[in-house]
Amino acid sequence: DVKVTQSSRYLVKRTGEKVFLECVQDMDHENMFWYRQDPGLGLRLIYFSYDVKMKEKGDIPEGYSVSREKKERFSLILESASTNQTSMYLCASSLLDRNEQYFGPGTRLTVT
Amino acid sequence: QKEVEQDPGPLSVPEGAIVSLNCTYSNSAFQYFMWYRQYSRKGPELLMYTYSSGNKEDGRFTAQVDKSSKYISLFIRDSQPSDSATYLCAMSHNNAGNMLTFGGGTRLMVKP
Repeated sequence: DVKVTQSSRYLVKRTGEKVFLECVQDMDHENMFWYRQDPGLGLRLIYFSYDVKMKEKGDIPEGYSVSREKKERFSLILESASTNQTSMYLCASSLLDRNEQYFGPGTRLTVT
Repeated sequence: QKEVEQDPGPLSVPEGAIVSLNCTYSNSAFQYFMWYRQYSRKGPELLMYTYSSGNKEDGRFTAQVDKSSKYISLFIRDSQPSDSATYLCAMSHNNAGNMLTFGGGTRLMVKP
């Protein structure tokens, strides 16, 4: 079974803090994705990566950056957290040439 | 107008009912269609994956695609309280492991 794990289930941070969200997958998938999920807006893609050190912007990259130093690990960074970044963050992975994405359990981030 | 539309619900049905969940889309280039199930405070899990038009059955679940109408459906037979979740449709125009376009999800409640 594909296993995608995320570093925290719940996180509370203050405005202006730098926030790191980590995602690890154990199935040797090339592609990794970061989404945020908000009521009424569904899943929105922030960034994705198809290889180590490679990244592509998704629909809403502003205020975020990512890092992929190892194939199995994909980090989402909020350089200076703001209250409008309070959300559920979901990581996913897939094989290079397959659409099926496998999701982690999510991190519910609250910025106060 | 969103590219993929889903009625957010909630859809409430009695145990044992046949459930029909639907998505409409506007981009005729979509060819690959997925259904995900998401329990409260968890990540989405892949349920069904279909290509082009037609039906696909897996146990109590049937996915149906009508490309001429730009309409996809997920049917659940003999629904159970454990089916209570949010169901997300997702689609892509190719099978290259690229970005998926998600619907907003329909919340289903199956009453015992």
